[in-house]
Amino acid sequence: RKEVEQDPGPFNVPEGATVAFNCTYSNSASQSFFWYRQDCRKEPKLLMSVYSSGNEDGRFTAQLNRASQYISLLIRDSKLSDSATYLCVVYRSGAGSYQLTFGKGTKLSVIP
Amino acid sequence: NAGVTQTPKFRVLKTGQSMTLLCAQDMNHEYMYWYRQDPGMGLRLIHYSVGEGTTAKGEVPDGYNVSRLKKQNFLLGLESAAPSQTSVYFCASSSSGPDTQYFGPGTRLTVL
Repeated sequence: RKEVEQDPGPFNVPEGATVAFNCTYSNSASQSFFWYRQDCRKEPKLLMSVYSSGNEDGRFTAQLNRASQYISLLIRDSKLSDSATYLCVVYRSGAGSYQLTFGKGTKLSVIP
Repeated sequence: NAGVTQTPKFRVLKTGQSMTLLCAQDMNHEYMYWYRQDPGMGLRLIHYSVGEGTTAKGEVPDGYNVSRLKKQNFLLGLESAAPSQTSVYFCASSSSGPDTQYFGPGTRLTVL
């Protein structure tokens, strides 16, 4: 099983729709979780961190399920500007090493 | 603040040539990273640094060397470029390990 797995998509959704992405991780010792957004031919940028209790930022909601080892991102009322690739990122440390693993990303296209 | 900058933005090399990519950040971050991003592979960590004068190997370090002589700069060297090193290279920095990573705009490298 890969350390971080995402459905590559693409997800093609109409404006105003609600869309959800899932990401699974294999190492139960993982400590921190993030969603990054990457626009075409641009650098990744942090969208939001994912907390155990779940967190919301406007139209975006992130959830963490440690028992099942997955995180999710929900986007409500999709806008054209939400079209991008969404990267799931998992962090763990240990024995002096640093492990930040990026998923391959899920591509979202919001259609007028 | 410029954030994270990368030099150059584009480069074409012939097999066997050498080059150095420069990353600079003005946020006084301790941690700096070099990634490569290839189609279908996601972001992969090449090397990273947890402070001035320190470097460590990431997931795909072979064929690359790095140096962090000054806190604000992180250099990535290719001693003898190979076509397999054709990629987009991103530099990033963060204040600590699990914290938000800020990415530079990327360097598109082609090795012929």
